[in-house]
Amino acid sequence: GENVEQHPSTLSVQEGDSAVIKCTYSDSASNYFPWYKQELGKRPQLIIDIRSNVGEKKDQRIAVTLNKTAKHFSLHITETQPEDSAVYFCAASIGNTDKLIFGTGTRLQVFP
Amino acid sequence: EAQVTQNPRYLITVTGKKLTVTCSQNMNHEYMSWYRQDPGLGLRQIYYSMNVEVTDKGDVPEGYKVSRKEKRNFPLILESPSPNQTSLYFCASKARSSGSDIQYFGAGTRLSVL
Repeated sequence: GENVEQHPSTLSVQEGDSAVIKCTYSDSASNYFPWYKQELGKRPQLIIDIRSNVGEKKDQRIAVTLNKTAKHFSLHITETQPEDSAVYFCAASIGNTDKLIFGTGTRLQVFP
Repeated sequence: EAQVTQNPRYLITVTGKKLTVTCSQNMNHEYMSWYRQDPGLGLRQIYYSMNVEVTDKGDVPEGYKVSRKEKRNFPLILESPSPNQTSLYFCASKARSSGSDIQYFGAGTRLSVL
């Protein structure tokens, strides 16, 4: 079946540094790629998403890049802050459907 | 306030005792889905529904049932829970007709099966 691989599983950075999380997907027909942030004990919440007709999208300190040829997409967080500490999940749609396949998550720790 | 509401938030039960986790959304969303979250495995889809009376299996449907009799509700039923169903469960919903792809999640239900 289709799958999404996410790396790294854990990431520790110093406050102010950048963090990059990478995902690879298998379904060449995937056209929607969201990123969710899950704080400890909370629900996943969408932080940014991108569609397959766009190569890059930015929202303040976070950005997502998409390489359709290589079938991978990445989350970039600049000027990290302690409140960025959370688990981040990438996901990819199954083709043009509503169904999402999620990566296994990255635990990001930002040290002051 | 637009929201997805799950109940209960926490549940401890014993093997074989039927239980239902309710999920309700007030956004008139057509698509609803159940996920389970386990350490190191991310979010895996159990069942989903594209509209009233339309449900289908996700990636890990064994041991679960769902129903979609009304648009706003999508209960998850465990007819005979087993310890391997101990997990954190999330309900989610999204609109299909507005062009938005965003899935909104409930607060989660932490289930322990002894």
